[in-house]
Amino acid sequence: DTGVSQNPRHKITKRGQNVTFRCDPISEHNRLYWYRQTLGQGPEFLTYFQNEAQLEKSRLLSDRFSAERPKGSFSTLEIQRTEQGDSAMYLCASSLVGTGEAFFGQGTRLTVV
Amino acid sequence: DQQVKQNSPSLSVQEGRISILNCDYTNSMFDYFLWYKKYPAEGPTFLISISSIKDKNEDGRFTVFLNKSAKHLSLHIVPSQPGDSAVYFCAASRSGGYQKVTFGTGTKLQVIP
Repeated sequence: DTGVSQNPRHKITKRGQNVTFRCDPISEHNRLYWYRQTLGQGPEFLTYFQNEAQLEKSRLLSDRFSAERPKGSFSTLEIQRTEQGDSAMYLCASSLVGTGEAFFGQGTRLTVV
Repeated sequence: DQQVKQNSPSLSVQEGRISILNCDYTNSMFDYFLWYKKYPAEGPTFLISISSIKDKNEDGRFTVFLNKSAKHLSLHIVPSQPGDSAVYFCAASRSGGYQKVTFGTGTKLQVIP
């Protein structure tokens, strides 16, 4: 399977714990995006990378959130001191610069209890 | 501030008939528009896109119409098939391609056999 891969698919954590998600994009794609989706809403942009550079971050991305793409390949999204409001589906997508579409992974569903 | 709006949360259509999904946007800087389809437990998949220099784009059974003066776009599916039953997201970008994309809240389409 050469699509976008996200791990884990599901994560249940206690409030206050840290969690980290991983995204492996399509190998030749130089752009990588993170989104958050809650029930009844569309995906909300969080941040994106071009190669290893983080080019933009949404105001939704509080100081508890950090994303990295250290070698311009896979990316990680870490949430520190999780809160119940962080419960959501976290989606990753990748694309080639200059193209008109991005390919999404299946997402990581986070539940904070 | 919902810049991309899909005012119909759901739509039911008979198999073989036309499905029309609507989307309105408020930001006049948007110049590239996309439709994504999402099945349960899967990430969104790209369906069709349109640049603001066009007013229509077709791909098989799917046609997207753009009315810039009204800041409105629509997706037509003809003929509708049961496999089209999914949530459809309208999305918009300011960069002429896929970059920081803003998604609508989605319309759940049910095609009745």
